[in-house]
Amino acid sequence: SQTIHQWPATLVQPVGSPLSLECTVEGTSNPNLYWYRQAAGRGLQLLFYSVGIGQISSEVPQNLSASRPQDRQFILSSKKLLLSDSGFYLCAWSAGLGNEQFFGPGTRLTVL
Amino acid sequence: GQQLNQSPQSMFIQEGEDVSMNCTSSSIFNTWLWYKQDPGEGPVLLIALYKAGELTSNGRLTAQFGITRKDSFLNISASIPSDVGIYFCAGRPVTNAGNMLTFGGGTRLMVKP
Repeated sequence: SQTIHQWPATLVQPVGSPLSLECTVEGTSNPNLYWYRQAAGRGLQLLFYSVGIGQISSEVPQNLSASRPQDRQFILSSKKLLLSDSGFYLCAWSAGLGNEQFFGPGTRLTVL
Repeated sequence: GQQLNQSPQSMFIQEGEDVSMNCTSSSIFNTWLWYKQDPGEGPVLLIALYKAGELTSNGRLTAQFGITRKDSFLNISASIPSDVGIYFCAGRPVTNAGNMLTFGGGTRLMVKP
């Protein structure tokens, strides 16, 4: 069966510091991968998606970037965090772009 | 991009009551999905619908793919405290060349014991 992991679970970072969030998927090959951000009690904002290694599509211009160095690894990064980067970051995978998406447990990021 | 209007935005109900929520769009969809997000966790897929008119149940949850293909409904019967969370609809628009899922804004459900 497929599983999706996110690391770390929680993170507190000062403004201006770098960021690296990791997402890994097990039990499937060539997944489509997604990064979402969720403000407290709000909906899901799609940040990036990837259909393959090295292929990244950005949905919202921002302070963040994404990379896919391996088939089942998706990384969300920032060189300098802003206060507005605080939120709950969710990674998801699907077999195809229009297929059901399956979410990871999320990373709670607080920027102080 | 395609937009899904999910309503209500929030509900505060008494334990034991039935719950109804819906998603609507101006576009035609060929897939409707319903997710539940418990506090502090990732959304979990509850029900998937693939045909207009389809009615599918998962325990006390029942979802329907609207006959017009522009809406979907989720009902929860005899609510219990663990039903608390945010419910998201998602759909795949027929006209979306990229074939991406579109998510609704969510319905926050609160249940009073």
